[in-house]
Amino acid sequence: AQSVSQHNHHVILSEAASLELGCNYSYGGTVNLFWYVQYPGQHLQLLLKYFSGDPLVKGIKGFEAEFIKSKFSFNLRKPSVQWSDTAEYFCAVGDYGGSQGNLIFGKGTKLSVKP
Amino acid sequence: DGGITQSPKYLFRKEGQNVTLSCEQNLNHDAMYWYRQDPGQGLRLIYYSQIVNDFQKGDIAEGYSVSREKKESFPLTVTSAQKNPTAFYLCASFQGYNQPQHFGDGTRLSIL
Repeated sequence: AQSVSQHNHHVILSEAASLELGCNYSYGGTVNLFWYVQYPGQHLQLLLKYFSGDPLVKGIKGFEAEFIKSKFSFNLRKPSVQWSDTAEYFCAVGDYGGSQGNLIFGKGTKLSVKP
Repeated sequence: DGGITQSPKYLFRKEGQNVTLSCEQNLNHDAMYWYRQDPGQGLRLIYYSQIVNDFQKGDIAEGYSVSREKKESFPLTVTSAQKNPTAFYLCASFQGYNQPQHFGDGTRLSIL
């Protein structure tokens, strides 16, 4: 069965620190990869996505993620976090081979940024 | 603006009661989804629908039911058979290949 694993449940950083959130997935076929963010009290928003092409994907608010196929990984990075990045981050994998759009989500990583 | 509207924002259920959560979208998307979000559990798929009058069970469908009579609407009923309904429920829609899912603001369901 497909699964998505996010390594950290809760990450606490100071402002200006660098961020890397791990995401690994298990699926043998072609995948599409996503990072979603949920700010406190807000709905889930797309941060960035990978479908094909350049494995280094740039998203909103200075976030980027790198798809490493050999490692089944799609880690999220940001060089310098801000207090406003405090949120919960979800990695998701989609199997669009069947064009169904179904996503498998990781359990989420809560990021707390101290001012 | 196009989007997904979930209502109500907060809902309380009594023992033995069925409650229905509303999800409406004006994005003209064919596919719609219901997820349950619990702390530390991520999002788990309850039901999804690829097209009007058709829907499929997700990973945790027991105790839930859905209908898809119109393209815009995908209501979720939490039945009395769902013994642990307290959670945050998210509705999403999907346009098609190589597109992300779009999410509503969610409904928080609690037990009285």
